[in-house]
Amino acid sequence: DVKVTQSSRYLVKRTGEKVFLECVQDMDHENMFWYRQDPGLGLRLIYFSYDVKMKEKGDIPEGYSVSREKKERFSLILESASTNQTSMYLCASGTRLDYNEQFFGPGTRLTVL
Amino acid sequence: GQNIDQPTEMTATEGAIVQINCTYQTSGFNGLFWYQQHAGEAPTFLSYNVLDGLEEKGRFSSFLSRSKGYSYLLLKELQMKDSASYLCAVRDSNYQLIWGAGTKLIIKP
Repeated sequence: DVKVTQSSRYLVKRTGEKVFLECVQDMDHENMFWYRQDPGLGLRLIYFSYDVKMKEKGDIPEGYSVSREKKERFSLILESASTNQTSMYLCASGTRLDYNEQFFGPGTRLTVL
Repeated sequence: GQNIDQPTEMTATEGAIVQINCTYQTSGFNGLFWYQQHAGEAPTFLSYNVLDGLEEKGRFSSFLSRSKGYSYLLLKELQMKDSASYLCAVRDSNYQLIWGAGTKLIIKP
């Protein structure tokens, strides 16, 4: 079974703090994604990566950055957390050969006070 | 702009059949996906349609009409464990997924 893990299920941070969200997948997938999920809105893509050290902006990259130093790990960084970044953050991975399915991690519910 | 519409919430009875609709307007089309998401959990893949017609997988079926920009997910013999949100997503011409807000399905005994 594909496993995508995220470093924390719940996180509480203060405005202005630097926040790191880690995602690890164990299936050697080329593609990795970071989404945020808010009530009443669909999943919104923040950043994605097709390969190590490669990153592409999604629909809402402002206020975020990412790092992919190893194939299995994709990190989302909030340089200076703000209250409007309070959300559920979901990481996903998928293989380039079978682009039909993304495998999601359990999510990190981040609260910024 | 790109838009995916699905009902916010639906209620159905255990053992019955329910149809969840999804309409879309996107820049290009490269497939439509349905995911299931239980409260507090990750979305999990249910189905994928790229050609018109019905795809059946056990109790779940998904239908696509590209000319109408329309899909539905059909759930038969509903069970309490089917209570979840159902997410519709379309892959656009850039191969990016555009997601609907999801339909919360409540199953009553």
